[in-house]
Amino acid sequence: EAQVTQNPRYLITVTGKKLTVTCSQNMNHEYMSWYRQDPGLGLRQIYYSMNVEVTDKGDVPEGYKVSRKEKRNFPLILESPSPNQTSLYFCASLPGQGYVGEQFFGPGTRLTVL
Amino acid sequence: GQQLNQSPQSMFIQEGEDVSMNCTSSSIFNTWLWYKQDPGEGPVLLIALYKAGELTSNGRLTAQFGITRKDSFLNISASIPSDVGIYFCAGTNTGNQFYFGTGTSLTVIP
Repeated sequence: EAQVTQNPRYLITVTGKKLTVTCSQNMNHEYMSWYRQDPGLGLRQIYYSMNVEVTDKGDVPEGYKVSRKEKRNFPLILESPSPNQTSLYFCASLPGQGYVGEQFFGPGTRLTVL
Repeated sequence: GQQLNQSPQSMFIQEGEDVSMNCTSSSIFNTWLWYKQDPGEGPVLLIALYKAGELTSNGRLTAQFGITRKDSFLNISASIPSDVGIYFCAGTNTGNQFYFGTGTSLTVIP
């Protein structure tokens, strides 16, 4: 089954404790992206990757890092989480830049930073 | 970043009624997208629009790409209970940066 998976689905942590949220897709997609969703703000793009070893900032990259060492994986790293990073995070992928109508989203990771 | 405003913010309608929602942007896009998010899940694409003035249907859903390229509209006809969810518009020019609207929460009363 074609899918985007995220782990963990739920995470409660404390301020300053480094964490990684993993994202993996099994569709051989070139493009992957991370979003955060907050009430009243919709989804905002954090980082995206056009291909392996190519990453770029989205609208709200501050406080986040990403890496794309393999095509299928795109982990989101919070080196020193803060309470304002409490949010619902979504990973997404699509085949390539010309396929905007085929963006698949993962199930989401709900992060709480105390 | 670019701001996309959706209205209404929420809607409570009776089953069988038609629904209209819209999305406006402060800048132009060359592609508009409409997504639906069910509770506890990620957004799922409903309709993609690639050309100003384009009108596209997907079953009971119809979406239009505004002629100014700064707005888009989504209509749902004869609503049913499974239409409940949050609807998001999104715009992109480059195919790698996406800007989402604030969402319209739809409740359908049986």
